[in-house]
Amino acid sequence: KAGVTQTPRYLIKTRGQQVTLSCSPISGHRSVSWYQQTPGQGLQFLFEYFSETQRNKGNFPGRFSGRQFSNSRSEMNVSTLELGDSALYLCASSLTPQGPNQPQHFGDGTRLSIL
Amino acid sequence: QKEVEQNSGPLSVPEGAIASLNCTYSDRGSQSFFWYRQYSGKSPELIMSIYSNGDKEDGRFTAQLNKASQYVSLLIRDSQPSDSATYLCAGGPSTSGTYKYIFGTGTRLKVLA
Repeated sequence: KAGVTQTPRYLIKTRGQQVTLSCSPISGHRSVSWYQQTPGQGLQFLFEYFSETQRNKGNFPGRFSGRQFSNSRSEMNVSTLELGDSALYLCASSLTPQGPNQPQHFGDGTRLSIL
Repeated sequence: QKEVEQNSGPLSVPEGAIASLNCTYSDRGSQSFFWYRQYSGKSPELIMSIYSNGDKEDGRFTAQLNKASQYVSLLIRDSQPSDSATYLCAGGPSTSGTYKYIFGTGTRLKVLA
């Protein structure tokens, strides 16, 4: 069974640009969550999607947005990039978001560097 | 702000010893807890989950949950150099919060050969 697939693995952008990251969940998983990981802040929750609807959102500015498609694949977009957006962006999937006992499985991440 | 706290370490243990990793959480509504292992430059890998008070064992790993004390721990028996990694504790979902999972900042474990 294929795991969570994130593309691209590495990305270099400059300030002011925008970027789109992609995530394909494990087959059958319908919930997709996005996280930003930096050395100082650890894993910070961005948002979660289920059935093409955003269910939860973390404390990030509106420059960070996402969407989910009918096949559960998800994209994350960051506009007007800032130096502080340099981070590892991780996508995690789970079967459903309903109820407890739903572990998340992570992709390898996209490492975004802003110059 | 609901939090999960871990000592950042590094926690150094000799090969063959028991490594004890600890985590406290502030949200009493948290229903499930997970331990992830993250090697440098890699993504987090789920190693244990625990939902009920008490101990749960899986091979060399034992997770312990005490909801009254809001405390979760992970014991690694017969530690190996390959166990050297950062261990992330996560709690969620919560009956009282809006986030599904909240992660600690991780404890770095070093197993000395």
